[in-house]
Amino acid sequence: QQQVKQSPQSLIVQKGGISIINCAYENTAFDYFPWYQQFPGKGPALLIAIRPDVSEKKEGRFTISFNKSAKQFSLHIMDSQPGDSATYFCAASMRGGKLIFGQGTTLQVKP
Amino acid sequence: EAQVTQNPRYLITVTGKKLTVTCSQNMNHEYMSWYRQDPGLGLRQIYYSMNVEVTDKGDVPEGYKVSRKEKRNFPLILESPSPNQTSLYFCASRQHSGNTIYFGEGSWLTVV
Repeated sequence: QQQVKQSPQSLIVQKGGISIINCAYENTAFDYFPWYQQFPGKGPALLIAIRPDVSEKKEGRFTISFNKSAKQFSLHIMDSQPGDSATYFCAASMRGGKLIFGQGTTLQVKP
Repeated sequence: EAQVTQNPRYLITVTGKKLTVTCSQNMNHEYMSWYRQDPGLGLRQIYYSMNVEVTDKGDVPEGYKVSRKEKRNFPLILESPSPNQTSLYFCASRQHSGNTIYFGEGSWLTVV
């Protein structure tokens, strides 16, 4: 019940396309859902996060869509760029609690 | 600059030879933790610490030890490393009641 399942494991998108990464969770007590971005040789860094009281959050080209009833959330990267090539992790936690990470998605954006 | 610093960044060691990976943060964060990253498994928590002298096991604590004698430092100790501990390790910190976790740049550890 503590797991966060992420898919796909890898994703190849053409420049300018839309990248979509999906996550599902079981624990309805989770109230914080961040996405982390990791470039090669670097640690993960917070990209965008959402709380379950909203269904969507947008920051620039990055959007989180949240479906509370389905217990799913997804990251959409619009107009994907080669510089977006990285590993993306979804995560979930309860307030002040442990962050549970998904398995990660390696995104490659082809020029 | 706010950061989490871990050392060494790269290490190759032999089975059974004790090693320590240091971690230091300059953000005065109460909470610190260690993760290992393995392909297809994501980031799994090894140990965490809510404050000085307070540590607890994460999801994969076997074969590891930690200590928290000072607020800024949280070393990870492998008393007798084995090849299955070959991995990429991350130290992280956050405020006690905060949600945003800040990661170090990672330590690649190979045990042969």
